[in-house]
Amino acid sequence: DAKTTQPPSMDCAEGRAANLPCNHSTISGNEYVYWYRQIHSQGPQYIIHGLKNNETNEMASLIITEDRKSSTLILPHATLRDTAVYYCIARPQGGSEKLVFGKGTKLTVNP
Amino acid sequence: DTGVSQNPRHKITKRGQNVTFRCDPISEHNRLYWYRQTLGQGPEFLTYFQNEAQLEKSRLLSDRFSAERPKGSFSTLEIQRTEQGDSAMYLCASSKIEDRSTDTQYFGPGTRLTVL
Repeated sequence: DAKTTQPPSMDCAEGRAANLPCNHSTISGNEYVYWYRQIHSQGPQYIIHGLKNNETNEMASLIITEDRKSSTLILPHATLRDTAVYYCIARPQGGSEKLVFGKGTKLTVNP
Repeated sequence: DTGVSQNPRHKITKRGQNVTFRCDPISEHNRLYWYRQTLGQGPEFLTYFQNEAQLEKSRLLSDRFSAERPKGSFSTLEIQRTEQGDSAMYLCASSKIEDRSTDTQYFGPGTRLTVL
């Protein structure tokens, strides 16, 4: 079973920031938080990952709480092409590297 | 395009037939993963290879399923005696692991299988 919980759906206005929450209250100290997204009928696309510190790349920012029990993925200026299912995954460092996906959050960006 | 490629993209077959899918990973990626995704669900892990070695198999991988990666490059996933329940998207991902740090998996576009 997935170790993370996410809201099933969210809406966001085009051009505004999309903040997608993820709860991972049972995460272990050596588990990273990974985010992927999946646009309809395509393979999942890697977005970002982090362990303790906040991370930013060209796609998004990842904010991890100090206790590491939750995190937020931020898309700073959402576009219609960001409409997708977003998956938050807790993944251990080393060992078996399989990704355990939950049902994710369906983000709809509205014009 | 140097991403993960999968062929065919779509496959329609009749129940009881055998099917084979191919995955070409990103060049120099030493790990290759197979996942299956049914409608409305997230992808589920099936198996993975590090170089030629198949290191882990899910209980989802019944004896009708077999995966190979003979030269540590491309991989094939074969399903024998297909059943309607095998209808799904089959996803391949690859990654490069050099030490104990976590690698990042990059996915291909998937092969959608429909069993009639």
